[in-house]
Formats: sequence, C-alpha cells, structure tokens
Amino acid sequence: KAGVTQTPRYLIKTRGQQVTLSCSPISGHRSVSWYQQTPGQGLQFLFEYFSETQRNKGNFPGRFSGRQFSNSRSEMNVSTLELGDSALYLCASSPEPNTEAFFGQGTRLTVV
Amino acid sequence: AQKVTQAQTEISVVEKEDVTLDCVYETRDTTYYLFWYKQPPSGELVFLIRRNSFDEQNEISGRYSWNFQKSTSSFNFTITASQVVDSAVYFCALSLRGANSKLTFGKGITLSVRP
Repeated sequence: KAGVTQTPRYLIKTRGQQVTLSCSPISGHRSVSWYQQTPGQGLQFLFEYFSETQRNKGNFPGRFSGRQFSNSRSEMNVSTLELGDSALYLCASSPEPNTEAFFGQGTRLTVV
Repeated sequence: AQKVTQAQTEISVVEKEDVTLDCVYETRDTTYYLFWYKQPPSGELVFLIRRNSFDEQNEISGRYSWNFQKSTSSFNFTITASQVVDSAVYFCALSLRGANSKLTFGKGITLSVRP
C-alpha cells in the first residue's frame, strides 16, 4: 500500500508570491490534516479535512487555506508569502478522524 | 486547552543502553488519544503507537514499550537495548474526541545513540 505522498518535496519562493502544496493520502483514507513544523514553534496544526469538509482549523492567518477533493487528495495554499512561512509542511492521512495518522515526508518551503 | 510537555530536549546514550522518553499531558476531557511519533533526519513522522484514554494497559512491541499512567498524566516511552538507528526526534502527541481531533504535539526529544 502506498504511503502518503506530498509534492513537491522542496520549494523556494519569493516573498509576496503564493504557493500550492499537494497531498495524496493513503488509499481508503478520508481524513487529511496539515501541520507546519518550524524550529521555533515546533509542530502546529493548520487544518483538517474529512470527506471534503474542513472539520477544524488552527490558529493561522487567512493567507493559509486548503481544500480536499472527492478522491480525498488535499491541497493547501499560502498566499502573499512571508519569510516566516519558511517551514516543513507535513500532511497526515487517517481512515477517519481520531484514528492513527500517517504522515508524508513533507514539503520544505523556503521563502526568500 | 490541551497541552503536551516533553521536558527532556536532548538525550545521548551509548548503544545497547535502555532509554526512557518522558511525556506528560494535560486535558480536561475524559476521552482522549495519545500518540508517539519518530522523526528521522529524512523528515517524515513515523507513527509508533496510539493509545486511548480508557486503555491503561502497557504495551510492548519488540524493543519498544510504553507506560501509560492516568494518575500522573504520563505516557512514557522506553527503548530497550538502543541502537544507532533509533537516533531521531521523538514526539508525543494528544488528540481529543470529536471535532477537536487535531494532534497537539510536544516539543520533541532528540535522541542520539552513539556506537
């Protein structure tokens, strides 16, 4: 069974640009969550989607948005990038909420 | 609000030593879930275990064992006979039932196992 796939693995963007990150969950999993990992703040929850509906949202500005498609694949978008958005963005896939969450390898975003 | 504290930040041991990683959690909910993840240098968070609040039975999986004690709000992780491949950052996490099912992570513990 294929694991969680995140693309791209690495990304370099300029301040003010926008970026879209993609996550393909494990086959059969309907819940996808996104987390931001930085050295200073650690792992912080961004959003959770289940059956195309956002169930939960973390404490991030509106520049951070996401969506989930009917095939459970998810995308997150960050607009008007800031230097502080540089981080490892991790996607987690679960059969349903509150079950085991399996993570992808992440997308490392660098904003210059 | 829930909180996870991993007081140890870095631990260094010599191969074959046993090592215990501590995790203390806070929540007012009676139903919750506790997790441990391993993050090797590659960056991926590797799922190790999930435990619900009604199951205090300790678990052993090979060289790994977990001790869950509700009385002290702790969910500690022990690696027996550590190996160099165990070197990684280990995270403890907590989630609640229902809509607030996000994972709340501790700051992580960097474990270095020296040959």
